[in-house]
Amino acid sequence: NAGVTQTPKFQVLKTGQSMTLQCAQDMNHNSMYWYRQDPGMGLRLIYYSASEGTTDKGEVPNGYNVSRLNKREFSLRLESAAPSQTSVYFCASSEQGTAFWPQHFGDGTRLSIL
Amino acid sequence: AQTVTQSQPEMSVQEAETVTLSCTYDTSENNYYLFWYKQPPSRQMILVIRQEAYKQQNATENRFSVNFQKAAKSFSLKISDSQLGDTAMYFCAFMYSGLWHGANSKLTFGKGITLSVRP
Repeated sequence: NAGVTQTPKFQVLKTGQSMTLQCAQDMNHNSMYWYRQDPGMGLRLIYYSASEGTTDKGEVPNGYNVSRLNKREFSLRLESAAPSQTSVYFCASSEQGTAFWPQHFGDGTRLSIL
Repeated sequence: AQTVTQSQPEMSVQEAETVTLSCTYDTSENNYYLFWYKQPPSRQMILVIRQEAYKQQNATENRFSVNFQKAAKSFSLKISDSQLGDTAMYFCAFMYSGLWHGANSKLTFGKGITLSVRP
């Protein structure tokens, strides 16, 4: 089973460039999430999608947009990348958006913005 | 809002010995889940163990067990018979339980602790 697949695994951007991070899950999960991980900090939620057709802001949404394309796919877009967005980005999914259902994570995308 | 605190940035343990990783949290809610995630150098986030707050019995998964003290809001992870493959960052996390809470239905992570297992 592939689980949660993120593409790309690494990317370098210049300030001001745009980029879409892709995430797909094959577990038929309803809820999907985007987190960022910075050095010395735990993961912080950027956006989440409780179910297909819905998206909501998390803790640190500024500078990002998301699209829940269908049940499988949840993309994260940086319209105008800034050096402060240099981070490792994780996508996750769960059966439902409640704590009973554990979240499954992808392998992350390391994004550097120069 | 809930907070999760992991005050030890790093720890080291000899192979085959036991180590305990500390975590405290703060919430006004009564129903929630607590988790420990492992992140090895490969970067993948792996769920190690979880505890439902309404259960008094401490969760156990093979060599991993927790000491859940609800009144003290403490949730420590004990790793017995440490193995080299346990070397990783470990994150404590919190989530409200029950029905969808909107913005509250999210994992809140601590800053993590780096565990090194020495051969």
